[in-house]
Amino acid sequence: DVKVTQSSRYLVKRTGEKVFLECVQDMDHENMFWYRQDPGLGLRLIYFSYDVKMKEKGDIPEGYSVSREKKERFSLILESASTNQTSMYLCASSLWTGGSYEQYFGPGTRLTVT
Amino acid sequence: QKEVEQNSGPLSVPEGAIASLNCTYSDRVSQSFFWYRQYSGKSPELIMSIYSNGDKEDGRFTAQLNKASQYVSLLIRDSQPSDSATYLCAVNNYNQGGKLIFGQGTELSVKP
Repeated sequence: DVKVTQSSRYLVKRTGEKVFLECVQDMDHENMFWYRQDPGLGLRLIYFSYDVKMKEKGDIPEGYSVSREKKERFSLILESASTNQTSMYLCASSLWTGGSYEQYFGPGTRLTVT
Repeated sequence: QKEVEQNSGPLSVPEGAIASLNCTYSDRVSQSFFWYRQYSGKSPELIMSIYSNGDKEDGRFTAQLNKASQYVSLLIRDSQPSDSATYLCAVNNYNQGGKLIFGQGTELSVKP
């Protein structure tokens, strides 16, 4: 079974803090993704990575950065947390299966910025 | 026009009925299609994928794809209260690599 894990299920941070969200997958997947999900706005892609040290901006990269130093780990960084970054953050990974890129999600981190 | 559109619902069906969830997409070169189930407060879980026109069945779930009409659907037979969740449709265009484009999701409620 594919396993994607995230470092925390719940996190509370203060405005202005630097926040690190970690994601690890154990299936040697090439592609990794960070989304945020908010009521009424659906899943929005923040950043993704196709390989180690590679990153691509998604739809809403402002206020975020990422790091992928190892294939299995993809980190999302909030440089200076703000209250509008309170959200559910979801990490996913995917691999080409010969027919498609099937994407699998981690359990999510619910971040509250106060 | 949104790239992937779903009715937000809620769609309410009685236990034992067939639930029909629909999705349309705008990019004609989309090639892979997925259905995810998401329980409240949980992350999305992949339940079906389909790549070719026609039907694909897996247990109580059937995915249907019509590329000419740019339409994909999910049928849930013998619906159970445990099927109550939000169902997300997602599409992939190989030119975009591994990126998926998600719909907003349809909330399904199965009443006992």
